[in-house]
Amino acid sequence: SQTIHQWPATLVQPVGSPLSLECTVEGTSNPNLYWYRQAAGRGLQLLFYSVGIGQISSEVPQNLSASRPQDRQFILSSKKLLLSDSGFYLCAWSDGSTGANNEQFFGPGTRLTVL
Amino acid sequence: DAKTTQPNSMESNEEEPVHLPCNHSTISGTDYIHWYRQLPSQGPEYVIHGLTSNVNNRMASLAIAEDRKSSTLILHRATLRDAAVYYCILRDGWTGANNLFFGTGTRLTVIP
Repeated sequence: SQTIHQWPATLVQPVGSPLSLECTVEGTSNPNLYWYRQAAGRGLQLLFYSVGIGQISSEVPQNLSASRPQDRQFILSSKKLLLSDSGFYLCAWSDGSTGANNEQFFGPGTRLTVL
Repeated sequence: DAKTTQPNSMESNEEEPVHLPCNHSTISGTDYIHWYRQLPSQGPEYVIHGLTSNVNNRMASLAIAEDRKSSTLILHRATLRDAAVYYCILRDGWTGANNLFFGTGTRLTVIP
């Protein structure tokens, strides 16, 4: 069966510090991968998605970047965190091979607080 | 992706049916209707999706209006574990990356 892992689970970082959040998927190949952010009391915002290694699409301009160095690894980064980067970060995957309506499976999330 | 409109919150008594509405008047012919829910402090989980016909699965039923401009997620017997934020999302069936654009959803409170 497929599983998705995210770490760390929680993170407290000072403003201006770098960020690296990691997401890995097991039990599937060539998944579509996604990063979402949920600010306190708000809905989910799609940040990045990837349909393959090295292929990253950004949905909104921001202080963050994403990379996909391996098929089942998706990394969210920032060189200098802002207070507005605080939120609940969720990684998700979907099957990239069998059509356009596959459900997305979400990881447990990382709660980031920038102070 | 077309926009959806949902009530901000709803309440239901435990073990009673719940009907969660969603309006999507600008839906296109290739848009699928997806429902996800998010339990507190967790990532969203898939509930159900459909295109034109009503759909049933072990979690819920999806009733789609004949003109497809609205739909209703039906939980047949609400339990305390069903308390969550429910998102109604339209997804273009031709988009390759399965992007989902979440709104603010409906927060369902289940009363014991």
